[in-house]
This record gives sequence, C-alpha cells and structure tokens, in this order.
Amino acid sequence: GENVEQHPSTLSVQEGDSAVIKCTYSDSASNYFPWYKQELGKGPQLIIDIRSNVGEKKDQRIAVTLNKTAKHFSLHITETQPEDSAVYFCAASPNQAGTALIFGKGTTLSVSS
Amino acid sequence: KAGVTQTPRYLIKTRGQQVTLSCSPISGHRSVSWYQQTPGQGLQFLFEYFSETQRNKGNFPGRFSGRQFSNSRSEMNVSTLELGDSALYLCASSLGLAGGPAGVTDTQYFGPGTRLTVL
Repeated sequence: GENVEQHPSTLSVQEGDSAVIKCTYSDSASNYFPWYKQELGKGPQLIIDIRSNVGEKKDQRIAVTLNKTAKHFSLHITETQPEDSAVYFCAASPNQAGTALIFGKGTTLSVSS
Repeated sequence: KAGVTQTPRYLIKTRGQQVTLSCSPISGHRSVSWYQQTPGQGLQFLFEYFSETQRNKGNFPGRFSGRQFSNSRSEMNVSTLELGDSALYLCASSLGLAGGPAGVTDTQYFGPGTRLTVL
C-alpha cells in the first residue's frame, strides 16, 4: 500500500525566513496531495492541495510543488510569521475508490520572532 | 457555512466498555471519513462512508465500526475498548464526488476531533 515519508520532523526558523517541508510517496498511482496545518487542540486544517496533473500551485505565502517522476512533493512557506507555528502534515491519496488519505508523520514548525 | 462538528469533544472510558462518537458533515457533503490520531502512529485512516455505505476501509480490527444516516451524519463505534484505543478521533467530510478506480479524490475538511481516553 501507499507509504508517505515526511521530513524534517521538526523545523525552527526565524520570523521572515522561508520554511520547506518535503514528502515522498511510494504509490505512483496516487493522484492527490493535500497539506494540513494542525494547531494544538484543533483538527487538521487544509492549507493547500495539488493534483497529479499540476506541477506547482501557489496561494499567497504558501506554495506546493510536485515531482511525479521522483514521487515527492514539497511545501514552501515564505515570510514566515509566529502564527505559522504548528504541526504540518502531508498526505497522499491512493488511486482507489473513495477518499482515503495516507499521512506523513508530521513536521513541527516553530517560528520565533 | 458551518464546519464539521463532532460530539462529544472529550470522553473517558474504561477497558472493556464500548463508545459511540458522532460526526455531522458540512451541509451538502455526502462523504464522511474517520481517522485515528495517536502520537506513535500518527493519522491513520479508519473508514469512509458515502450514501450510507462503507466505501473504503483501513487496516483496523473489527471492533471499530461505523455507519452513516440518510442525512449524511455518521457515527463510529469502538467495542471492547483497549488502552491502545486512546486517541484523537477525527472526522472529515467531503462532497463525495470521488468514486471508481479512476475517480478524483475529494478535498476533505476535518472536524475538531473527539479525544478518547481509555483507563
């Protein structure tokens, strides 16, 4: 089955710096790759997603890139702010009926001012 | 539009008991998926319901079950609770457009979760 690896597990940056989180997946048939942000005591919140027919997608300070050949995708956050501090999860959706998501283990991002 | 709601938010049970958790999806969404989140295993897919039918199932024992009602609300049940069942149980709703081997995966929106503690 699908397996998603996420790196790094923790990331500390200074306010204003960029942050990059990388994920690799194993099932070449996976076609959907969302990123979620989870704050303490809350459920995961979708921040951006990308489908396999697109190589890059951007939404203000957040961008995601997808390399299908290498089977990896990355989250880029520019001009980080303290409120970006949270746990970030990548996920991949195996090519099957339904909406099962296979998640990476998460990256704890700390942005210090 | 209201988001995904889950009740109760916190539960404390003892080993051997059973528990039922409830999820109300976003209005208009027909698919509900359940996930278990633990520090050790992370976020793991339990099952998905669409039009009152289980459409997809993760690798969990039969003690974990669910159902969906005609109004798309869903419940999950865990019987004979074990200490290892302590976790945050998350519900996610989606439109339910996906389907079939070539289907496009829907965007999923998560609720706040139910924190289950088994003593």
